[in-house]
Amino acid sequence: SAVISQKPSRDICQRGTSLTIQCQVDSQVTMMFWYRQQPGQSLTLIATANQGSEATYESGFVIDKFPISRPNLTFSTLTVSNMSPEDSSIYLCSVSMGTTAYEQYFGPGTRLTVT
Amino acid sequence: SQKIEQNSEALNIQEGKTATLTCNYTNYSPAYLQWYRQDPGRGPVFLLLIRENEKEKRKERLKVTFDTTLKQSLFHITASQPADSATYLCALPGGSYIPTFGRGTSLIVHP
Repeated sequence: SAVISQKPSRDICQRGTSLTIQCQVDSQVTMMFWYRQQPGQSLTLIATANQGSEATYESGFVIDKFPISRPNLTFSTLTVSNMSPEDSSIYLCSVSMGTTAYEQYFGPGTRLTVT
Repeated sequence: SQKIEQNSEALNIQEGKTATLTCNYTNYSPAYLQWYRQDPGRGPVFLLLIRENEKEKRKERLKVTFDTTLKQSLFHITASQPADSATYLCALPGGSYIPTFGRGTSLIVHP
């Protein structure tokens, strides 16, 4: 398994500002993933972050709104840009590991509230 | 389109009973299915993976079944305890085997 930490754990931000969320893994991984979980909803994949290449975004998510960095095999950041109240959500990073490599291990999440 | 359905209503049971949660899916032919547990304020935690050729899988007090004809998985917790109270998520492989999650079902075990 992997130990994943995220910073900040929560934040309250004003609309129009940006927040960068950091994700640190205790081992080297090829792919890292960013999810969003809105209240009462399931996890929605935002993008896949590969080291050394641009992130791959899912339908409905764009790089201008959610720029991602992946400078090395243990670290990634997700920025939520020009925030609006609709961006209020929990943001989670995860990695794939395990005997099958299909198991996802998640960080504790960042709870973002936009006022 | 592909769809994963889990009962949105919370399941309330008494301690010691068996909890059974359901995951139904449509427009999928998954090679496997996963179950995760999520506690409030935390990320999901992987519990079990069951492959399409496995009818049943067990891990301690957990039992998962996978019926590819019915397109359904059942997740059982035997001898449930208040500490089992959480939201349980079903997940199926999406593109590049990245999991797509259901909304989850909240389980509340009463002492």
